[in-house]
Amino acid sequence: SQQGEEDPQALSIQEGENATMNCSYKTSINNLQWYRQNSGRGLVHLILIRSNEREKHSGRLRVTLDTSKKSSSLLITASRAADTASYFCATVFNNAGNMLTFGGGTRLMVKP
Amino acid sequence: ETGVTQSPTHLIKTRGQQVTLRCSSQSGHNTVSWYQQALGQGPQFIFQYYREEENGRGNFPPRFSGLQFPNYSSELNVNALELDDSALYLCASSLTSGRGTGANVLTFGAGSRLTVL
Repeated sequence: SQQGEEDPQALSIQEGENATMNCSYKTSINNLQWYRQNSGRGLVHLILIRSNEREKHSGRLRVTLDTSKKSSSLLITASRAADTASYFCATVFNNAGNMLTFGGGTRLMVKP
Repeated sequence: ETGVTQSPTHLIKTRGQQVTLRCSSQSGHNTVSWYQQALGQGPQFIFQYYREEENGRGNFPPRFSGLQFPNYSSELNVNALELDDSALYLCASSLTSGRGTGANVLTFGAGSRLTVL
């Protein structure tokens, strides 16, 4: 089973709208990361948030982490057609060294 | 600085055959992780190599094996291929500290797409 689970599984929005994706996990974590994958390609790292951080920004990306609820959200503001991709959260367990475990992903489609 | 490169990009095998996938890690990285990604799903962790030794393994049978070489490149070998082994195999490299733990960001290759007939 996967440690992280994204919600929704699929999201379709218009260009210019904001997109919010959520991730829930089951056990304590060291940090949580978000990755993006264009169709059939490798994953690209977007942002990392540590367990003692609550919010982090990078350009049009905003990530929040709520360790009490074991959840994180990724917000993409002013979306563009080029943001169309799958987005995955990944967690490093406290006692699992540096091995990342990925969720099932949210498939985002941004319509021009 | 070169990124992670994987070969081959695509290959077709038949059930029962063996396959070797190769990965060159990003310059400056010392750790390689392999993932299997079935269509429409998230990547599943196969194993990780650090200092030429397996540093962790996911829920995959022994017919999935690997190697890491002194130059930090790596191979993934799969024996006795099954139809369910059809997937995108992703290699990712990272830099691990001397303690072997840490919050590592992975740099992924483009993947090798394996089809088993």
